[in-house]
Amino acid sequence: GIQVEQSPPDLILQEGANSTLRCNFSDSVNNLQWFHQNPWGQLINLFYIPSGTKQNGRLSATTVATERYSLLYISSSQTTDSGVYFCAVDKSDSWGKLQFGAGTQVVVTP
Amino acid sequence: DAGVIQSPRHEVTEMGQEVTLRCKPISGHNSLFWYRQTMMRGLELLIYFNNNVPIDDSGMPEDRFSAKMPNASFSTLKIQPSEPRDSAVYFCASSSRRALVTDTQYFGPGTRLTVL
Repeated sequence: GIQVEQSPPDLILQEGANSTLRCNFSDSVNNLQWFHQNPWGQLINLFYIPSGTKQNGRLSATTVATERYSLLYISSSQTTDSGVYFCAVDKSDSWGKLQFGAGTQVVVTP
Repeated sequence: DAGVIQSPRHEVTEMGQEVTLRCKPISGHNSLFWYRQTMMRGLELLIYFNNNVPIDDSGMPEDRFSAKMPNASFSTLKIQPSEPRDSAVYFCASSSRRALVTDTQYFGPGTRLTVL
């Protein structure tokens, strides 16, 4: 199956700092999504981004499909950004079956 | 829109009992997915449906697990009999699928299952 690798596994940030999370995948994909799992366990969809760049407030994401990676940028981090960030991909012939990475645990300190 | 609805939110049961988890997808979505999350294995897909038909159940761990989708607005995941290793958070997600492309998946709040 497709491999999804996220880095770094853990990240500690001071409030106001910027950071970049990376997702590498091993095959061509139909879909790539970034999720934030908050401390209460809820999985929040951040971006649906099989290619290109999108922005939503302080968050933005870029996927370079030809090079099989995606980046998630967090700018001016806040304590509410704490949680686990997951990248998930759907192979071109897989009917939307998402393969998740192991996640990046982010802690933002005041 | 109410989003994906799951019930119960928490379930504590004893080994050997039957457990039924329920999911109501977002109205208009035609794909539904059941995932399980554990510390050891992370998020893994158990089964998914398209237009109420099971497409792939290869992620279902054992015959003790079964899932149904009797109509477009309701699905169940049943574990019978339950075992302590089934303890996990079970998520349901839904999305739209048109012309061979699956759109954004939206997740429910999850059911935290504890089997004693």
